[in-house]
Amino acid sequence: EVQLVESGGGLVQPGGSLRLSCAASGFTFSSYWMSWVRQAPGKGLEWVANIKLDGSEQYYVDSVKGRFTISRDNAKNSLYLQMNSLRADDTAVYYCAGGGWYPAYWGQGTLVTVSS
Amino acid sequence: EIVMTQSPATLSVSPGERATLSCRASQSVSSSLAWYQQKPGQAPRLLIYGASTRATGIPARFSGGGSGTEFTLSISSLQSEDFAVYYCQQHNNWPHTFGQGTKLEIK
Repeated sequence: EVQLVESGGGLVQPGGSLRLSCAASGFTFSSYWMSWVRQAPGKGLEWVANIKLDGSEQYYVDSVKGRFTISRDNAKNSLYLQMNSLRADDTAVYYCAGGGWYPAYWGQGTLVTVSS
Repeated sequence: EIVMTQSPATLSVSPGERATLSCRASQSVSSSLAWYQQKPGQAPRLLIYGASTRATGIPARFSGGGSGTEFTLSISSLQSEDFAVYYCQQHNNWPHTFGQGTKLEIK
């Protein structure tokens, strides 16, 4: 059974940092591009970042460039999102997604709240 | 950035009837278009990729069509479990943008 389990969300002050993690199991993690997708409360889906199979390429939505870093550890079947200089409009449920550029595998999400 | 526009924002359809949802891209995305279903409190679920290929386990009543800038998702004979929000996403250009969603509700 495929599982993606996110962790690391929580309440953080504006300007602060958080590191999200995603533990993958049930599929060959190293064979797929992986993504982070977020959803602000009551809003639609927003693609945030992608990382290539071996971590050699990363792509980001403009609003997070220079602040967020996506990375992966294929030995640990894990995906990460380092989020710095957080802003109120980064408040959202963050989903780990995998299986290629059109992800078939999704976690249940972790809530990040940026507020003072 | 490619802007994906879905219509209508809300679609009211009776169970057993057919629903057709639309997605338009601001420039051509070829056939690099996926559709997702999301129910309240749940993660999205991949329905269609490559504009018209059903993902594993997706019932045949779901069908996708189109290419370039105009795409459709059709659901024949709506079941109670099909009432949800549907999103399209292009993966032809970075960033891989989503549409704003269409809420399919029971009439």
